[in-house]
Amino acid sequence: GDSVTQMEGPVTLSEEAFLTINCTYTATGYPSLFWYVQYPGEGLQLLLKATKADDKGSNKGFEATYRKETTSFHLEKGSVQVSDSAVYFCALSDRNDYKLSFGAGTTVTVRA
Amino acid sequence: DVKVTQSSRYLVKRTGEKVFLECVQDMDHENMFWYRQDPGLGLRLIYFSYDVKMKEKGDIPEGYSVSREKKERFSLILESASTNQTSMYLCASSESGTGNSPLHFGNGTRLTVT
Repeated sequence: GDSVTQMEGPVTLSEEAFLTINCTYTATGYPSLFWYVQYPGEGLQLLLKATKADDKGSNKGFEATYRKETTSFHLEKGSVQVSDSAVYFCALSDRNDYKLSFGAGTTVTVRA
Repeated sequence: DVKVTQSSRYLVKRTGEKVFLECVQDMDHENMFWYRQDPGLGLRLIYFSYDVKMKEKGDIPEGYSVSREKKERFSLILESASTNQTSMYLCASSESGTGNSPLHFGNGTRLTVT
């Protein structure tokens, strides 16, 4: 079945550092890809999404590009802030289904 | 903004108790979901519902049941709680249609079974 693999954490960075979280997927069809973020004590919220190959999702300075040839959807941010400390989840859904499959999550801590 | 409200933030129950987790959404979404979140495992789908009185099993339905009598409310039931059901439970909703619709999550219920 469809699945998502994302890099293990935890990741600890200094403010203004560059962040990359790797995500690769396995899917039989043409999935939509998502990044969700979970801030401490809260539920998950959508960070960005891409629905077809070569699409780039972006939000709050984060970007991810849907790469069909490498089955990847890596999350990047050029200059992180303390407020970006959170758990980040990569997820996919089949176009004909409304269920999401999630990766294990990556905990990111940004130090001042 | 879509609001998904889970009735309890923290619950402590004893082994063998029947446990109800309640979830309400206010945006008239057709789809509702229950996930559990465990460290290192991410989110795993327990049950979902795409319409009132409809339900489908997710990846880990054993030991759980659900009820959706009204469109806005989706309840998760642990018939006889066990210690391995200690976890964070997340409810979510989404619009009908294909997989492009994002999920909107509640803040979660942390259940401890002793």
